[in-house]
Amino acid sequence: DIQLTQSPSFLSASVGDRVTITCRASQGISSYLAWYQQKPGKAPKLLISAASTLQGGVPSRFSGSGSGTEFTLTISSLQPEDFATYYCQQLNSYPRTFGPGTKVHSK
Amino acid sequence: EVQLLESGGGLVRPGGSLRVSCAASGFKFSTYAMSWIRQAPGKGLEWVSVISGRNIFYAEPVKGRFTISRDNSKDTLYLQMNSLRGEDTAVYYCAREDWVGLDYWGQGTLVTVSS
Repeated sequence: DIQLTQSPSFLSASVGDRVTITCRASQGISSYLAWYQQKPGKAPKLLISAASTLQGGVPSRFSGSGSGTEFTLTISSLQPEDFATYYCQQLNSYPRTFGPGTKVHSK
Repeated sequence: EVQLLESGGGLVRPGGSLRVSCAASGFKFSTYAMSWIRQAPGKGLEWVSVISGRNIFYAEPVKGRFTISRDNSKDTLYLQMNSLRGEDTAVYYCAREDWVGLDYWGQGTLVTVSS
């Protein structure tokens, strides 16, 4: 099974900060990586698919990059509504796996 | 508008069974892979199972105990859960997979396994 790790696990940031979250896969997954945002009590929301494709309606301050085993999610200027937990997921093979999550909270 | 609506969650005793359902609307259900994902209280997301055509896959912790199925005539996805354990306590989400991501999710249904 492919394991995903995320760093950091927790991130303290302020509105306007540039935020970067890293996701690493235990083996190469090409660009089969998705990023999700989850707020408390809500279902996750797909932000980015295929490592770098922004989903419709997602603000352009979100971007994704990477391929193979290392991926990043960047928020160029953190907004109040971006405080949430972010998960990566690999869709290269089964079982699909999620990273453990990165909680972005207010400094 | 794509909608996914889970139902069937509740309280069940250890060793018991439960079936949760996911009613889909707003898209051609039969042409999409459909997944179940769960989230234990205060924990991260855990992928559970997927059904795509005749292909079915499970996560190791639920293999042999859970069965995913779908009724394309009713646009409904199911997850039959047997031999339930405390560690199966979670919110269960259904989601549509378009191969590069889970693009639509339901609101989730809570399954609590406790005596």
